[in-house]
Amino acid sequence: DAKTTQPPSMDCAEGRAANLPCNHSTISGNEYVYWYRQIHSQGPQYIIHGLKNNETNEMASLIITEDRKSSTLILPHATLRDTAVYYCIVRETSGSRLTFGEGTQLTVNP
Amino acid sequence: NAGVTQTPKFQVLKTGQSMTLQCAQDMNHNSMYWYRQDPGMGLRLIYYSASEGTTDKGEVPNGYNVSRLNKREFSLRLESAAPSQTSVYFCASTKQGPGELFFGEGSRLTVL
Repeated sequence: DAKTTQPPSMDCAEGRAANLPCNHSTISGNEYVYWYRQIHSQGPQYIIHGLKNNETNEMASLIITEDRKSSTLILPHATLRDTAVYYCIVRETSGSRLTFGEGTQLTVNP
Repeated sequence: NAGVTQTPKFQVLKTGQSMTLQCAQDMNHNSMYWYRQDPGMGLRLIYYSASEGTTDKGEVPNGYNVSRLNKREFSLRLESAAPSQTSVYFCASTKQGPGELFFGEGSRLTVL
């Protein structure tokens, strides 16, 4: 699986959009980009994934650059409950080895 | 559906003791995983099982053994626990092909 690079921490004001970047410059053509988050010491929670096109669901939007070497997770209206560690990983369609980096600690401030 | 169930949720061991962490999923997933998470750190892959009957080492396999008992169950064994194995252990599973990874609630292990 390709390695990912994320900033260790970010801050965001409540009600504003939170934009979390991820670099995956060695991603291959059949690897998906996945985002998870972990609140306190709970099990990580799936947010969204994509291959080439931008994706949106009820939680977030995922913007993948045309060359697929980086992506951005967007939380459109961040709330205090969005304070968490956010992990970006890449995974082959049929790949099984899944490793997580250190993620980004997002702190949403009132 | 229960999803991914881990037992026990909490355990305290003395150095040198052995124990097995159990994990079961009811989603008919092919792949299962064991991760550990130390305080303030990310998740590190210990072992994984791509399908029933197969297991592979992850990033930090030393001191652990695993068994994929059947498609539903994937256990993690500590043969001789050490204080360095104090951590929160997460089991996860996923289907083949694109799809999310489902996590259990975690098992908090303290080795004295």
